[in-house]
Amino acid sequence: EDQVTQSPEALRLQEGESSSLNCSYTVSGLRGLFWYRQDPGKGPEFLFTLYSAGEEKEKERLKATLTKKESFLHITAPKPEDSATYLCAVPLNSGYSTLTFGKGTMLLVSP
Amino acid sequence: ETGVTQSPTHLIKTRGQQVTLRCSSQSGHNTVSWYQQALGQGPQFIFQYYREEENGRGNFPPRFSGLQFPNYSSELNVNALELDDSALYLCASSPTGSEGYGYTFGSGTRLTVV
Repeated sequence: EDQVTQSPEALRLQEGESSSLNCSYTVSGLRGLFWYRQDPGKGPEFLFTLYSAGEEKEKERLKATLTKKESFLHITAPKPEDSATYLCAVPLNSGYSTLTFGKGTMLLVSP
Repeated sequence: ETGVTQSPTHLIKTRGQQVTLRCSSQSGHNTVSWYQQALGQGPQFIFQYYREEENGRGNFPPRFSGLQFPNYSSELNVNALELDDSALYLCASSPTGSEGYGYTFGSGTRLTVV
């Protein structure tokens, strides 16, 4: 069964204090790993797709990396506006295109 | 280009009642997926519709049903509501054959069952 586990569940940082979020997965034949950002009361917003081990993607203060068993979302010098829940997801091993999500990491960046 | 629109934004129902949630997909997107997100959890896949047919289903009982219309908009119906059905219900539309990178999520409907 496809599994996605995220850690930590919650993370509190001071503005400018860099850190990383972890997403580990157990899935055969990975067809991509996706990172989303979700603000309170909103739907998830797409950030990155990673397809193969060693791949990296960057967007502003965020950088996502992928190994064969896990992905990291590195946040460099975060700002309060980076506060959100970060979700990772992998495609279900099925005949249709949908995703299984982890529980997310709730990030709070204090000024 | 419009995004995904869901209605209503909030809803309170009594246990045992029935509810219908609506979703208008993004222009050009013909696939709609519904997810349930309980508090503190990630979204869980309910089902997907493509060309007005159910195209896949997660571990949800038959009292969760849906429809997709010719304009690709969609409805989620839940019968015999239970307290555990309280959650944020998310609709995501995508172009044919895409996966997570093609998803556009709506802001969801917050359903409270009392």
